[in-house]
Amino acid sequence: KQEVTQIPAALSVPEGENLVLNCSFTDSAIYNLQWFRQDPGKGLTSLLLIQSSQREQTSGRLNASLDKSSGRSTLYIAASQPGDSATYLCAAYTGFQKLVFGTGTRLLVSP
Amino acid sequence: DTAVSQTPKYLVTQMGNDKSIKCEQNLGHDTMYWYKQDSKKFLKIMFSYNNKELIINETVPNRFSPKSPDKAHLNLHINSLELGDSAVYFCASSEGQGAGGYTFGSGTRLTVV
Repeated sequence: KQEVTQIPAALSVPEGENLVLNCSFTDSAIYNLQWFRQDPGKGLTSLLLIQSSQREQTSGRLNASLDKSSGRSTLYIAASQPGDSATYLCAAYTGFQKLVFGTGTRLLVSP
Repeated sequence: DTAVSQTPKYLVTQMGNDKSIKCEQNLGHDTMYWYKQDSKKFLKIMFSYNNKELIINETVPNRFSPKSPDKAHLNLHINSLELGDSAVYFCASSEGQGAGGYTFGSGTRLTVV
């Protein structure tokens, strides 16, 4: 059974810092891994999707990497801004229409 | 131009009532899902439908009954609501089995009092 864990559970940084969010999964047989952002009381916004054949994906200040063999993915946020404050969720797609979510990292970027 | 839309956004109801949540997607996806986010913010799949056919029923109480009239719609009906049903329910869709990624709706916050 796939289990996805995110570390740290919460992170508070000053504006401008570069930061890394970690995601670990127990079963390396995944098809892809997707990073989402959730603002308080809002839905999930897809940030990046990394297919199992890819090593990384980039979108603006965001870069996500995937290492299937070690069961890890990281989300790198460059030059963080207060608007980046949200909960970040990773989710591993294991096939058979099952997306398994991590526990989330709550990020606070202070001005 | 909303991709996955859910209604209502908020739902407050008394124990024992029956309620429905509606979901529609205009992405042309053929698979739709219901996810539940509990008080600890953990998201877990409840159901998936592919072209109106139930594929996944993740040991959800049978008080929850999804219905898919067509592949663009997936509604969730809940009978005899209990306090423990209070959560945020998210609808999502994907092309095929999900290898191309998922798109989520904005969620329905259900509060049972």
